[in-house]
Amino acid sequence: AQSVTQLGSHVSVSEGALVLLRCNYSSSVPPYLFWYVQYPNQGLQLLLKYTSAATLVKGINGFEAEFKKSETSFHLTKPSAHMSDAAEYFCAVRSSGGYQKVTFGTGTKLQVIP
Amino acid sequence: KAGVTQTPRYLIKTRGQQVTLSCSPISGHRSVSWYQQTPGQGLQFLFEYFSETQRNKGNFPGRFSGRQFSNSRSEMNVSTLELGDSALYLCASSPSRGENTGELFFGEGSRLTVL
Repeated sequence: AQSVTQLGSHVSVSEGALVLLRCNYSSSVPPYLFWYVQYPNQGLQLLLKYTSAATLVKGINGFEAEFKKSETSFHLTKPSAHMSDAAEYFCAVRSSGGYQKVTFGTGTKLQVIP
Repeated sequence: KAGVTQTPRYLIKTRGQQVTLSCSPISGHRSVSWYQQTPGQGLQFLFEYFSETQRNKGNFPGRFSGRQFSNSRSEMNVSTLELGDSALYLCASSPSRGENTGELFFGEGSRLTVL
């Protein structure tokens, strides 16, 4: 079985401040992990993905995430928030081996305060 | 390369009616997944098709069905609509199984309102 937990349905940061969005996963086998972003009235766009290569993954728009197996975490960070980062962010997991669906977390809405 | 195209983008139906939503995947992608997104339930997996075969199915009633054609285009159908079916329906495609790490490419969605 696989699952994802995102801590905090809403996060507010000041423009220029660090962004930290938390994600913990559960998977009985090595996972593939993803972060997606969704802007209003749009579909989801891939920010970054972990597929068992480097544990620190860099994505688009200055975001990065670190895979920590011991903590079963895959938190998303960005050093300095921009107004344009305001959106909803989803963490997702797919167990490797065989074929599994992709399971999404419940999402975190990021508000950036000027 | 064109992205995932979903039609229609918006539609309004009344209870008891049925609806068909269409999804054209990225050229060369053979897997198509459907998700229902609502404010209360988040993203819920409906089903996934690969080469015209349903590979996975979520926990939705039989009123929700889908199919995939030989050109990888997919449709989903919801019959006997209920108010609770109001949602954004998202389609996503991914490459063939050999390359498939699970990365999904999403369309912009079809927003269904049931009155």
